[in-house]
Amino acid sequence: GDSVTQMEGPVTLSEEAFLTINCTYTATGYPSLFWYVQYPGEGLQLLLKATKADDKGSNKGFEATYRKETTSFHLEKGSVQVSDSAVYFCALRRNNAGNMLTFGGGTRLMVKP
Amino acid sequence: DSGVTQTPKHLITATGQRVTLRCSPRSGDLSVYWYQQSLDQGLQFLIQYYNGEERAKGNILERFSAQQFPDLHSELNLSSLELGDSALYFCASSVGGADNEQFFGPGTRLTVL
Repeated sequence: GDSVTQMEGPVTLSEEAFLTINCTYTATGYPSLFWYVQYPGEGLQLLLKATKADDKGSNKGFEATYRKETTSFHLEKGSVQVSDSAVYFCALRRNNAGNMLTFGGGTRLMVKP
Repeated sequence: DSGVTQTPKHLITATGQRVTLRCSPRSGDLSVYWYQQSLDQGLQFLIQYYNGEERAKGNILERFSAQQFPDLHSELNLSSLELGDSALYFCASSVGGADNEQFFGPGTRLTVL
């Protein structure tokens, strides 16, 4: 079945550091890929998405590129802020097969001033 | 604020009991999804309803059931509760039943003692 694997956290960075959170997936066909963010005490919010190979999703300084050849969708940000501290989830959705999301285990990011 | 509301925010109960979690989708959304977030299983899709009808089923136990009412709100019923059912239960909604962005509620934290 479908699965998503992302690096375990916590990831601890200083403010303005470069961020990479790795995500790889296994799925039949060509799924859509997502990054969600969960701030403390809140539900998940869609951060960015990509629906086909080589697409780059971007939002709020975060970006991720859909790499079919390596089945990856790594999240990057050039300069993190304290306010980016949260849990990040990589997810996939098989196209034309319903709308259910398959999530990775989540990666907690802690940014120190 | 995603526009999806869930009640109650917290629920503490004993093993063997039954509880009902409630979700109100965003105005205009016809689809409701339930997800369970636990420490050992991560974030898992449970079930989806679209306009009152069950649309997709994930890893939902037989002790759990759900329904979507004519006003589109949904309830998740958990019975014969076990310690392992302690988790955060999220509801999400989307406009349609397939390939639409899901908006997540803040979750209901269930603790089974």
